[in-house]
Amino acid sequence: EPEVTQTPSHQVTQMGQEVILRCVPISNHLYFYWYRQILGQKVEFLVSFYNNEISEKSEIFDDQFSVERPDGSNFTLKIRSTKLEDSAMYFCASSKTGGEVQGGIVAGANVLTFGAGSRLTVL
Amino acid sequence: AQSVAQPEDQVNVAEGNPLTVKCTYSVSGNPYLFWYVQYPNRGLQFLLKYITGDNLVKGSYGFEAEFNKSQTSFHLKKPSALVSDSALYFCAVRDWGGSYIPTFGRGTSLIVHP
Repeated sequence: EPEVTQTPSHQVTQMGQEVILRCVPISNHLYFYWYRQILGQKVEFLVSFYNNEISEKSEIFDDQFSVERPDGSNFTLKIRSTKLEDSAMYFCASSKTGGEVQGGIVAGANVLTFGAGSRLTVL
Repeated sequence: AQSVAQPEDQVNVAEGNPLTVKCTYSVSGNPYLFWYVQYPNRGLQFLLKYITGDNLVKGSYGFEAEFNKSQTSFHLKKPSALVSDSALYFCAVRDWGGSYIPTFGRGTSLIVHP
């Protein structure tokens, strides 16, 4: 079964350092997402990417964050200057569709396939 | 705005007993509802979804969920729990007419005791 792979599985960094988290989505998927989960809290949406550009982002996704799809396979999340509160598990996901409603017909709910996550610890 | 609440951090059940993991949601329109499961060191895996139609939805591994519009709930159920069902369970919602981004809950840890 196709998988979303994420690297690294765990990264420890000093506050103020730049971090890049990498993801390889499923090859025929068109929508890509980053979520994060701070320990004990809910899984929070960060950003979605479609057609080589950001399609939606949350308030968390400020100027310190950026995403790229540098080639046909990788999807990266960069945090320019990490803060203590960035410590979390970061999940990458992809989906074949966005589940749009087209002409009044539901095109299909977008089922996401997630990677195992990258745990980021900022000291 | 859309939101999901999973009121229990942890659910404990004995093997062979029925299990329920609770989820309530809030959307301004009609909901898409999802359940995902996460096993240790794995990504979240899709279990089942509700779009429209029958309120009882069947999914993978013998799980089912019941959509209750009046109570805005989508509880996950299984008639007979297995030790291997022990995992983290996430409920998610998105609004038909709103953003296509699903909103997730914080997860409920299910522990099935032998």
